[in-house]
Amino acid sequence: KAGVTQTPRYLIKTRGQQVTLSCSPISGHRSVSWYQQTPGQGLQFLFEYFSETQRNKGNFPGRFSGRQFSNSRSEMNVSTLELGDSALYLCASSSGSTYEQFFGPGTRLTVL
Amino acid sequence: DQQVKQNSPSLSVQEGRISILNCDYTNSMFDYFLWYKKYPAEGPTFLISISSIKDKNEDGRFTVFLNKSAKHLSLHIVPSQPGDSAVYFCAASAYQGAQKLVFGQGTRLTINP
Repeated sequence: KAGVTQTPRYLIKTRGQQVTLSCSPISGHRSVSWYQQTPGQGLQFLFEYFSETQRNKGNFPGRFSGRQFSNSRSEMNVSTLELGDSALYLCASSSGSTYEQFFGPGTRLTVL
Repeated sequence: DQQVKQNSPSLSVQEGRISILNCDYTNSMFDYFLWYKKYPAEGPTFLISISSIKDKNEDGRFTVFLNKSAKHLSLHIVPSQPGDSAVYFCAASAYQGAQKLVFGQGTRLTINP
């Protein structure tokens, strides 16, 4: 079974721009969660989507948004990028009925 | 407010010996705990988990122990192998937010030959 895939793997943007990251979950998984990893804050939960609905949300500003499509693929959008948004963005998929989440390789976003 | 803490940023262990990684939590609503392993430039890999109704779970070389009264869990790796060198994250979840994992800061484990 193929794992979680994320595209692109690396991205460089400038302040003020916006960015869209994509995640394809493991086949059959209906839940997709997004996390941000930075050296200072560690791994922090952004939000979770299940059956195209946002089910959980972390403490991030409204510039961070997401959506999920009918095939369970998910996108995350960050608008008006700030330098502090530079991070590794990780997507994780789950069946939605168990606690275990399986992570993709991440997208490394650098904001200049 | 760090609800999940891994107080040891790094740990060095001889190959073949036991590695013990520790994790403390403060939120009594957490009822499920997971350990992940992470190599550089890769996403975390799920290792082992434990429900709060248990105090031990074993999977091959990996055993997780949970002490609810102390709000403490530990991961034991026996015997330690060079391929175990990685960053290990402890994570916790509460039923109401099952897919919302709260992670510790991680412990870098180095296995010396």
